[in-house]
Amino acid sequence: NAGVTQTPKFRVLKTGQSMTLLCAQDMNHEYMYWYRQDPGMGLRLIHYSVGEGTTAKGEVPDGYNVSRLKKQNFLLGLESAAPSQTSVYFCASSYDGQGAYGYTFGSGTRLTVV
Amino acid sequence: SQKIEQNSEALNIQEGKTATLTCNYTNYSPAYLQWYRQDPGRGPVFLLLIRENEKEKRKERLKVTFDTTLKQSLFHITASQPADSATYLCALVASGTYKYIFGTGTRLKVLA
Repeated sequence: NAGVTQTPKFRVLKTGQSMTLLCAQDMNHEYMYWYRQDPGMGLRLIHYSVGEGTTAKGEVPDGYNVSRLKKQNFLLGLESAAPSQTSVYFCASSYDGQGAYGYTFGSGTRLTVV
Repeated sequence: SQKIEQNSEALNIQEGKTATLTCNYTNYSPAYLQWYRQDPGRGPVFLLLIRENEKEKRKERLKVTFDTTLKQSLFHITASQPADSATYLCALVASGTYKYIFGTGTRLKVLA
């Protein structure tokens, strides 16, 4: 099925540990995004990419890094996890930068940092 | 600062009625406005997009209006069904940017 796949679906980290979240899309979309969703805060953009090899900062980039080595993959890294990074992380992709055809979201990764 | 407001209180309506959800924004001139549906434990699903020069958009039982003077979008679901129960998010993007800003969503519950 065409769409956005996120791995893992759940993860518990200890403070200071590192991890990488993987996002893969098979729709040949140029644009990819990482959001976090917290209660009462809505979806907030962490980083985004406008094409293979490009990345840019979003609204809340601190503590995260990203890479887009292949067009279909967008990786989100946490170098030293903090409890404030406990959240649900969503990856999304779009055909164009304005989202004229909407964003396609993955099913999310629920991350808990203890 | 730029802000999007959606009613944080849940909206309960009877099956068959029209549900109307509101999205208000301030300090923003959106080129596009999107509406999404999100079910518990799932990612948002795109429903409709409306452009700044469009007043209204329809898709099956869904209707979206966009009033740039009032800085408001209304999302209507006609002949609502219990299966329409979900959280509905609005999102805005300004012309020339790639950053959609999302509202916190309104939870809709359609009672049978």
